[in-house]
Amino acid sequence: SQKIEQNSEALNIQEGKTATLTCNYTNYSPAYLQWYRQDPGRGPVFLLLIRENEKEKRKERLKVTFDTTLKQSLFHITASQPADSATYLCALTNSGYSTLTFGKGTMLLVSP
Amino acid sequence: NAGVTQTPKFQVLKTGQSMTLQCAQDMNHNSMYWYRQDPGMGLRLIYYSASEGTTDKGEVPNGYNVSRLNKREFSLRLESAAPSQTSVYFCASYPSSGPRGYTFGSGTRLTVV
Repeated sequence: SQKIEQNSEALNIQEGKTATLTCNYTNYSPAYLQWYRQDPGRGPVFLLLIRENEKEKRKERLKVTFDTTLKQSLFHITASQPADSATYLCALTNSGYSTLTFGKGTMLLVSP
Repeated sequence: NAGVTQTPKFQVLKTGQSMTLQCAQDMNHNSMYWYRQDPGMGLRLIYYSASEGTTDKGEVPNGYNVSRLNKREFSLRLESAAPSQTSVYFCASYPSSGPRGYTFGSGTRLTVV
Protein backbone atom coordinates (compact mmCIF):
# COMPACT_ATOMS: atom_id res chain seq x y z
CA SER A 1 0.00 0.00 0.00
CA GLN A 2 1.04 3.60 -0.48
CA LYS A 3 2.64 5.28 2.51
CA ILE A 4 4.14 8.64 3.33
CA GLU A 5 6.12 8.51 6.55
CA GLN A 6 7.34 11.40 8.63
CA ASN A 7 8.91 11.13 12.04
CA SER A 8 6.07 11.18 14.53
CA GLU A 9 8.33 12.27 17.37
CA ALA A 10 8.88 15.98 17.83
CA LEU A 11 12.28 17.33 16.86
CA ASN A 12 13.79 19.55 19.52
CA ILE A 13 16.73 21.75 18.56
CA GLN A 14 18.47 24.85 19.80
CA GLU A 15 18.19 28.21 18.13
CA GLY A 16 20.84 28.71 15.48
CA LYS A 17 21.19 25.03 14.62
CA THR A 18 20.04 23.38 11.41
CA ALA A 19 16.82 21.38 11.63
CA THR A 20 16.49 18.40 9.31
CA LEU A 21 13.13 16.72 8.79
CA THR A 22 12.62 13.49 6.84
CA CYS A 23 9.87 12.31 4.52
CA ASN A 24 9.95 8.73 3.23
CA TYR A 25 7.45 7.24 0.82
CA THR A 26 6.60 3.83 -0.60
CA ASN A 27 4.60 2.74 -3.63
CA TYR A 28 4.50 6.21 -5.14
CA SER A 29 5.93 7.57 -8.35
CA PRO A 30 5.66 11.22 -7.37
CA ALA A 31 5.64 13.87 -10.03
CA TYR A 32 6.58 16.33 -7.33
CA LEU A 33 6.83 16.71 -3.60
CA GLN A 34 5.79 19.63 -1.45
CA TRP A 35 6.47 20.85 2.08
CA TYR A 36 3.99 22.80 4.19
CA ARG A 37 4.11 24.49 7.56
CA GLN A 38 1.17 24.29 9.97
CA ASP A 39 0.78 26.31 13.14
CA PRO A 40 -1.70 25.27 15.87
CA GLY A 41 -5.27 26.17 14.94
CA ARG A 42 -4.29 27.26 11.43
CA GLY A 43 -4.36 25.78 7.96
CA PRO A 44 -1.20 24.48 6.28
CA VAL A 45 0.91 27.04 4.45
CA PHE A 46 2.86 26.08 1.33
CA LEU A 47 6.64 26.42 1.60
CA LEU A 48 8.46 24.64 -1.22
CA LEU A 49 7.87 22.34 -4.16
CA ILE A 50 10.45 20.09 -5.81
CA ARG A 51 9.98 18.12 -9.01
CA GLU A 52 10.99 14.49 -9.54
CA ASN A 53 13.87 15.52 -11.81
CA GLU A 54 15.26 18.06 -9.31
CA LYS A 55 17.65 17.04 -6.58
CA GLU A 56 17.62 20.21 -4.49
CA LYS A 57 15.61 23.39 -4.06
CA ARG A 58 16.36 26.40 -1.86
CA LYS A 59 14.36 29.33 -0.57
CA GLU A 60 15.99 31.68 1.92
CA ARG A 61 16.85 29.51 4.98
CA LEU A 62 14.97 26.50 3.63
CA LYS A 63 16.41 23.67 1.55
CA VAL A 64 14.67 20.58 0.23
CA THR A 65 16.31 17.54 -1.31
CA PHE A 66 14.53 14.82 -3.26
CA ASP A 67 16.05 11.38 -3.84
CA THR A 68 13.71 9.24 -5.96
CA THR A 69 16.07 6.26 -5.64
CA LEU A 70 15.95 6.31 -1.84
CA LYS A 71 12.31 7.48 -2.00
CA GLN A 72 13.11 10.21 0.45
CA SER A 73 12.99 13.97 0.86
CA LEU A 74 14.91 15.95 3.45
CA PHE A 75 13.77 19.39 4.59
CA HIS A 76 16.38 21.64 6.18
CA ILE A 77 15.95 24.89 8.07
CA THR A 78 19.29 26.60 8.64
CA ALA A 79 19.93 29.08 11.46
CA SER A 80 16.68 27.99 13.06
CA GLN A 81 14.68 30.44 15.18
CA PRO A 82 11.97 29.91 17.82
CA ALA A 83 9.51 31.32 15.26
CA ASP A 84 10.24 28.25 13.11
CA SER A 85 8.51 26.07 15.71
CA ALA A 86 5.55 24.44 13.96
CA THR A 87 4.46 21.17 12.39
CA TYR A 88 5.90 20.50 8.96
CA LEU A 89 3.98 18.39 6.46
CA CYS A 90 5.29 16.54 3.44
CA ALA A 91 2.91 15.96 0.52
CA LEU A 92 3.11 14.07 -2.77
CA THR A 93 1.33 14.11 -6.09
CA ASN A 94 1.55 10.92 -8.11
CA SER A 95 2.24 11.17 -11.80
CA GLY A 96 -1.06 11.58 -13.62
CA TYR A 97 -3.08 12.64 -10.58
CA SER A 98 -4.13 16.09 -9.46
CA THR A 99 -4.55 15.52 -5.73
CA LEU A 100 -2.05 15.83 -2.91
CA THR A 101 -1.55 13.12 -0.31
CA PHE A 102 -0.08 14.31 2.98
CA GLY A 103 2.15 12.75 5.57
CA LYS A 104 1.15 13.10 9.20
CA GLY A 105 3.73 15.78 9.88
CA THR A 106 6.63 16.32 12.24
CA MET A 107 6.55 18.90 15.01
CA LEU A 108 9.65 21.07 15.26
CA LEU A 109 10.43 22.86 18.52
CA VAL A 110 13.23 25.43 18.47
CA SER A 111 14.32 26.58 21.90
CA PRO A 112 16.10 29.89 22.57
CA ASN B 1 -7.04 39.57 1.98
CA ALA B 2 -6.97 37.23 -0.99
CA GLY B 3 -7.23 33.59 -0.16
CA VAL B 4 -9.59 30.84 0.95
CA THR B 5 -12.38 31.69 3.36
CA GLN B 6 -14.17 29.03 5.38
CA THR B 7 -17.31 29.42 7.47
CA PRO B 8 -18.13 28.73 10.20
CA LYS B 9 -14.92 28.51 12.22
CA PHE B 10 -16.49 26.41 14.97
CA GLN B 11 -19.63 24.29 15.11
CA VAL B 12 -21.18 21.83 17.54
CA LEU B 13 -23.80 19.45 16.16
CA LYS B 14 -25.93 16.77 17.68
CA THR B 15 -25.81 13.31 16.16
CA GLY B 16 -28.16 13.17 13.20
CA GLN B 17 -28.19 16.90 12.50
CA SER B 18 -27.15 18.23 9.13
CA MET B 19 -25.00 21.16 8.18
CA THR B 20 -23.07 22.69 5.30
CA LEU B 21 -19.52 23.94 5.51
CA GLN B 22 -18.86 26.83 3.19
CA CYS B 23 -15.67 27.58 1.29
CA ALA B 24 -14.91 30.42 -1.10
CA GLN B 25 -11.71 31.46 -2.88
CA ASP B 26 -11.01 34.72 -4.67
CA MET B 27 -7.85 33.70 -6.56
CA ASN B 28 -9.61 32.40 -9.69
CA HIS B 29 -8.33 28.89 -8.97
CA ASN B 30 -9.83 26.02 -10.93
CA SER B 31 -9.45 23.21 -8.41
CA MET B 32 -10.83 23.02 -4.88
CA TYR B 33 -10.53 20.39 -2.17
CA TRP B 34 -11.97 19.36 1.17
CA TYR B 35 -9.71 17.65 3.70
CA ARG B 36 -10.29 16.52 7.25
CA GLN B 37 -7.54 16.45 9.86
CA ASP B 38 -7.65 14.16 12.88
CA PRO B 39 -5.00 13.60 15.55
CA GLY B 40 -2.62 10.88 14.47
CA MET B 41 -4.24 10.59 11.02
CA GLY B 42 -2.98 13.63 9.20
CA LEU B 43 -4.88 15.34 6.42
CA ARG B 44 -7.19 13.08 4.44
CA LEU B 45 -8.96 14.06 1.24
CA ILE B 46 -12.75 13.89 1.36
CA TYR B 47 -13.82 15.28 -2.02
CA TYR B 48 -12.35 17.50 -4.67
CA SER B 49 -13.41 19.47 -7.70
CA ALA B 50 -10.81 19.65 -10.46
CA SER B 51 -12.81 22.29 -12.29
CA GLU B 52 -16.18 24.03 -12.14
CA GLY B 53 -18.92 21.49 -12.78
CA THR B 54 -16.96 18.40 -11.70
CA THR B 55 -16.56 16.67 -8.35
CA ASP B 56 -14.77 13.47 -7.38
CA LYS B 57 -14.41 11.33 -4.29
CA GLY B 58 -11.23 11.33 -2.29
CA GLU B 59 -9.96 8.92 0.32
CA VAL B 60 -12.79 9.28 2.89
CA PRO B 61 -16.03 10.41 1.14
CA ASN B 62 -18.59 8.37 3.10
CA GLY B 63 -21.10 10.52 4.97
CA TYR B 64 -20.39 13.65 2.94
CA ASN B 65 -21.64 15.39 -0.18
CA VAL B 66 -20.22 18.36 -2.02
CA SER B 67 -21.40 21.05 -4.38
CA ARG B 68 -19.24 23.19 -6.64
CA LEU B 69 -21.63 26.10 -6.77
CA ASN B 70 -19.49 28.19 -9.12
CA LYS B 71 -15.79 28.72 -9.69
CA ARG B 72 -15.39 30.48 -6.35
CA GLU B 73 -17.42 28.30 -4.01
CA PHE B 74 -17.20 24.67 -2.94
CA SER B 75 -19.41 23.47 -0.09
CA LEU B 76 -19.29 20.30 2.01
CA ARG B 77 -22.50 18.87 3.43
CA LEU B 78 -23.00 16.46 6.28
CA GLU B 79 -26.52 15.05 5.88
CA SER B 80 -26.66 13.16 9.18
CA ALA B 81 -23.73 13.96 11.41
CA ALA B 82 -22.03 11.21 13.39
CA PRO B 83 -19.48 11.46 16.23
CA SER B 84 -16.89 9.96 13.86
CA GLN B 85 -17.16 13.15 11.83
CA THR B 86 -15.77 15.22 14.68
CA SER B 87 -12.71 16.74 13.09
CA VAL B 88 -11.11 19.87 11.71
CA TYR B 89 -12.10 20.47 8.10
CA PHE B 90 -9.90 22.35 5.68
CA CYS B 91 -10.77 23.67 2.27
CA ALA B 92 -7.98 24.29 -0.25
CA SER B 93 -7.65 25.62 -3.77
CA TYR B 94 -5.16 25.19 -6.59
CA PRO B 95 -4.64 27.06 -9.87
CA SER B 96 -4.75 25.26 -13.21
CA SER B 97 -1.28 26.51 -14.09
CA GLY B 98 1.11 24.50 -11.98
CA PRO B 99 2.70 22.88 -10.30
CA ARG B 100 2.23 25.10 -7.31
CA GLY B 101 1.24 24.70 -3.71
CA TYR B 102 -2.27 24.54 -2.42
CA THR B 103 -3.78 27.49 -0.61
CA PHE B 104 -5.65 26.41 2.51
CA GLY B 105 -8.37 28.07 4.52
CA SER B 106 -8.13 28.45 8.28
CA GLY B 107 -10.38 25.48 8.97
CA THR B 108 -13.71 24.61 10.58
CA ARG B 109 -13.56 22.80 13.90
CA LEU B 110 -16.61 20.53 14.06
CA THR B 111 -17.72 18.60 17.12
CA VAL B 112 -20.55 16.07 16.88
CA VAL B 113 -22.02 15.04 20.23
